[in-house]
Amino acid sequence: QKEVEQNSGPLSVPEGAIASLNCTYSDRGSQSFFWYRQYSGKSPELIMFIYSNGDKEDGRFTAQLNKASQYVSLLIRDSQPSDSATYLCAVIYFGNEKLTFGTGTRLTIIP
Amino acid sequence: EADIYQTPRYLVIGTGKKITLECSQTMGHDKMYWYQQDPGMELHLIHYSYGVNSTEKGDLSSESTVSRIRTEHFPLTLESARPSHTSQYLCASSEWGGNEKLFFGSGTQLSVL
Repeated sequence: QKEVEQNSGPLSVPEGAIASLNCTYSDRGSQSFFWYRQYSGKSPELIMFIYSNGDKEDGRFTAQLNKASQYVSLLIRDSQPSDSATYLCAVIYFGNEKLTFGTGTRLTIIP
Repeated sequence: EADIYQTPRYLVIGTGKKITLECSQTMGHDKMYWYQQDPGMELHLIHYSYGVNSTEKGDLSSESTVSRIRTEHFPLTLESARPSHTSQYLCASSEWGGNEKLFFGSGTQLSVL
């Protein structure tokens, strides 16, 4: 089993709707959680990070963390065509300062 | 403006050639990383460094080598390129205690013929 799992998609969402991206991870000794966005042919860029259980909001983005169930989600409200990209979930585990990335979910916003 | 730079952006080279991919950052970050990514695939960590004179191999075995003589510079070298080395190489950096908020360069797309 992979340490960080994401549905590869593609996930298609109508413009203006809420896009929900999910990520599960295998180890309870995890510490920090990150969402990176990667446009086709471009490098990843950090859009959200979350350390504690619960929700964290930043503009149209909300990260949700549930450590007991070992999942982290990213919600994108009022989806725009410019949100079409691959979203990478990444986790840091205790005792290991390197990020472990998931394979990413490809999101397409349909105008 | 603080940033992270990679050169060249694209490189097409013949088998057996020695190549060096350059990466420099102006953010004063101690930690630097090299990732390899094939199209539509996940990122694989191949090398990282926690500071000057520190280099470690990553999770994915790689025939490349790295050096960290200066904080801002983290070049990756392939002594003898092969077609299996064809891939996108991404350099990244982060602060100490930054909880791995990585900043990525634009990448080098390497094609070995």
